[in-house]
Amino acid sequence: DAGVTQSPTHLIKTRGQQVTLRCSPKSGHDTVSWYQQALGQGPQFIFQYYEEEERQRGNFPDRFSGHQFPNYSSELNVNALLLGDSALYLCASSLTSHQETQYFGPGTRLLVL
Amino acid sequence: QKEVEQNSGPLSVPEGAIASLNCTYSDRGSQSFFWYRQYSGKSPELIMFIYSNGDKEDGRFTAQLNKASQYVSLLIRDSQPSDSATYLCAVHSGGSYIPTFGRGTSLIVHP
Repeated sequence: DAGVTQSPTHLIKTRGQQVTLRCSPKSGHDTVSWYQQALGQGPQFIFQYYEEEERQRGNFPDRFSGHQFPNYSSELNVNALLLGDSALYLCASSLTSHQETQYFGPGTRLLVL
Repeated sequence: QKEVEQNSGPLSVPEGAIASLNCTYSDRGSQSFFWYRQYSGKSPELIMFIYSNGDKEDGRFTAQLNKASQYVSLLIRDSQPSDSATYLCAVHSGGSYIPTFGRGTSLIVHP
């Protein structure tokens, strides 16, 4: 049973660039949430996707956008990168009927120079 | 502003001892509580969750919830060096499936 997968594992970008991160949910899961985890902090919720729609959004600017595909996989896009966007980006999947039980992917570590 | 507070630690315990990790939360409407373990450089892994006041045991782990005091804890019995990690507390408020995480407590179990 495949767990949550994310790509790439590491990424280095420069300020002002754009980045796309990808996530495939655990088999059978239909809901994908994205989190940002800065060093020494807990994960901060960015947004959640279900049925290809953004269902909930945390306190993140519009530079952060996403998409969910019919196969439930998802992308996180960040435009106009800032140094402060450097973090571990986590994708978590769940069943919409049991949303509280989330399984995290390995994460993508983004460094903005 | 919903807040979840954890002592960042590190909490250092000898092998075989009981490790006690604590978490307080500000929203009285919170209904479900989760503990995650996160090894350095890795992603969070769900350990257990609790919804009702009292204790819930799963192997060497026990979660304790006291809603009146807005307090949830995780006890790890017979601590092993492999338990050394950061433990994240996550709280779901009523009607929301989006968790608020604490910053985590670093646990070090020394031989």
